[in-house]
Amino acid sequence: AQTVTQSQPEMSVQEAETVTLSCTYDTSESNYYLFWYKQPPSRQMILVIRQEAYKQQNATENRFSVNFQKAAKSFSLKISDSQLGDTAMYFCAFKAAGNKLTFGGGTRVLVKP
Amino acid sequence: DAEITQSPRHKITETGRQVTLACHQTWNHNNMFWYRQDLGHGLRLIHYSYGVQDTNKGEVSDGYSVSRSNTEDLPLTLESAASSQTSVYFCASSEGQSGAAEQYFGPGTRLTVT
Repeated sequence: AQTVTQSQPEMSVQEAETVTLSCTYDTSESNYYLFWYKQPPSRQMILVIRQEAYKQQNATENRFSVNFQKAAKSFSLKISDSQLGDTAMYFCAFKAAGNKLTFGGGTRVLVKP
Repeated sequence: DAEITQSPRHKITETGRQVTLACHQTWNHNNMFWYRQDLGHGLRLIHYSYGVQDTNKGEVSDGYSVSRSNTEDLPLTLESAASSQTSVYFCASSEGQSGAAEQYFGPGTRLTVT
């Protein structure tokens, strides 16, 4: 079974600064996908970014980018130029065969003005 | 626009009662999932379905059941509600077999068992 670990329960960052969230996972699969989801206070789950394990290039979506280290089984999320609207819970998730997502415990991010 | 809805959004029930949470999607997706969210655990998979008449157990399926009679709906039933089932429940759907396919989530149902 896969496991996903987010070791930072909470992080705070000043507006316009950069914050990096860590995520590690454990799997014996060779082909899989990794995701970061954002959950604002509204509770809605929003996909931020996804990474395919067979792609070496790190995914980027506007101010969000990942650092994918396959050998280390690490998948960190960097939020650049943080905005107040980035305040939310962030979940790292893993998906292999069967389309089932395995989530980490989440990191709460607070962006301070 | 296509969407995924859940009802009710909030529910309070008593221990021992049967409760059904509804999930309806208009994406025409084959895959549907139920998760529960508890503090410190992220979301955990309860049950999932890959199509009509198909249901499968997830990581935390004890005390829950689902049935899939059509593409659009996957109701989640708590046979005899327990206080340990107080949680926020999310339904999700996705299309096809590709691992890259995005799962679309409903708004969640907060269930309190007293």
